[in-house]
Amino acid sequence: DADVTQTPRNRITKTGKRIMLECSQTKGHDRMYWYRQDPGLGLRLIYYSFDVKDINKGEISDGYSVSRQAQAKFSLSLESAIPNQTALYFCATSGRGGDQDTQYFGPGTRLTVL
Amino acid sequence: AQSVTQLDSHVSVSEGTPVLLRCNYSSSYSPSLFWYVQHPNKGLQLLLKYTSAATLVKGINGFEAEFKKSETSFHLTKPSAHMSDAAEYFCVVSGSSGTYKYIFGTGTRLKVLA
Repeated sequence: DADVTQTPRNRITKTGKRIMLECSQTKGHDRMYWYRQDPGLGLRLIYYSFDVKDINKGEISDGYSVSRQAQAKFSLSLESAIPNQTALYFCATSGRGGDQDTQYFGPGTRLTVL
Repeated sequence: AQSVTQLDSHVSVSEGTPVLLRCNYSSSYSPSLFWYVQHPNKGLQLLLKYTSAATLVKGINGFEAEFKKSETSFHLTKPSAHMSDAAEYFCVVSGSSGTYKYIFGTGTRLKVLA
């Protein structure tokens, strides 16, 4: 089984709808991240969480919110989706100790907002 | 501030010939540097990382990268390209203020010609 899973893998929705993307991990990591990928722009950080009570904005948090329900679960919400939020979304995790600087990525969720 | 620049958005090589993907970085701190690979419709997989140990870093699938502080570069190389290497490659810098936040390059798409 994959260590970092994302659901759904694909989603098509309409402008104005509320959308939630979910991320779960079995790696036992404290830190979790949400990124979006757009062609030619690489990945950009939306939000990150270093533990259940620690949530931080990334460089492009406007229009998004997150919830860290448990150590293993980190959800990303689009309260009112708009077409320019069409992108590939990735969740990632990182741990502590000697490997703390390495992030492990989920398979991604492709979101299309019409 | 940290930044990373991937100098080529697209690289084409013939199967069996060497691969060179170029990455320059900027960092006020001693950086950690990474290369990730993304195959079509897949998540990101760690190829290799540099964390201030040996300057020549060996990764998976025959890839390696050399950290050159004087040139602020971390180029990715492979002696002989294989068709399965066709993918998008991302150079990443991390290490700012202990947050371990990633800054991604914009990616290099590698095409391998038969």
